[in-house]
Amino acid sequence: AQRVTQPEKLLSVFKGAPVELKCNYSYSGSPELFWYVQYSRQRLQLLLRHISRESIKGFTADLNKGETSFHLKKPFAQEEDSAMYYCARVIKAAGNKLTFGGGTRVLVKP
Amino acid sequence: DGGITQSPKYLFRKEGQNVTLSCEQNLNHDAMYWYRQDPGQGLRLIYYSQIVNDFQKGDIAEGYSVSREKKESFPLTVTSAQKNPTAFYLCASSTTGAGNTIYFGEGSWLTVV
Repeated sequence: AQRVTQPEKLLSVFKGAPVELKCNYSYSGSPELFWYVQYSRQRLQLLLRHISRESIKGFTADLNKGETSFHLKKPFAQEEDSAMYYCARVIKAAGNKLTFGGGTRVLVKP
Repeated sequence: DGGITQSPKYLFRKEGQNVTLSCEQNLNHDAMYWYRQDPGQGLRLIYYSQIVNDFQKGDIAEGYSVSREKKESFPLTVTSAQKNPTAFYLCASSTTGAGNTIYFGEGSWLTVV
């Protein structure tokens, strides 16, 4: 089965510390990869996608095809980064379905 | 914010009853999706539709049904055949072009007692 794996269910870091959320996918090819974020009492929203190669709210993510990974990183975490983060991928050949990982809850402590 | 409206936000039903969750979008998106969100399991795809009058089963379609009679609407029925219906349900929509971004509704909490 084609999967997206987020091995950490919870990441707890102090404000100002680096944070890295791991995401691995199983697929041989070139999937489109995304990171979605869900802040408390807000709807799930797109954070960034690999084709844009952008930095959003200080977060970056690099696609590593060799390791089939798309880890999300931020060098200095802020308290407002506390949220649920989901890695996701879509495979055009599979009808544009978006498949999500299990999610990682990030808690940034003051 | 906005664009996709789910209702009701909270719903209680007795076991054995069917229940329909509403999802409406005014983004002119062709594709619509229903996901179920359970703790520790992320989001799992129930059904999706890429065009009006057509839809496909996702990964966990058993016990659910959908219809897509209008572009704007994609209601989900949770039938009595669904063994564990209590969950948080998310509707989403997107364009079908390259690099399509999926937009989510606020979700509906269904509790079956």
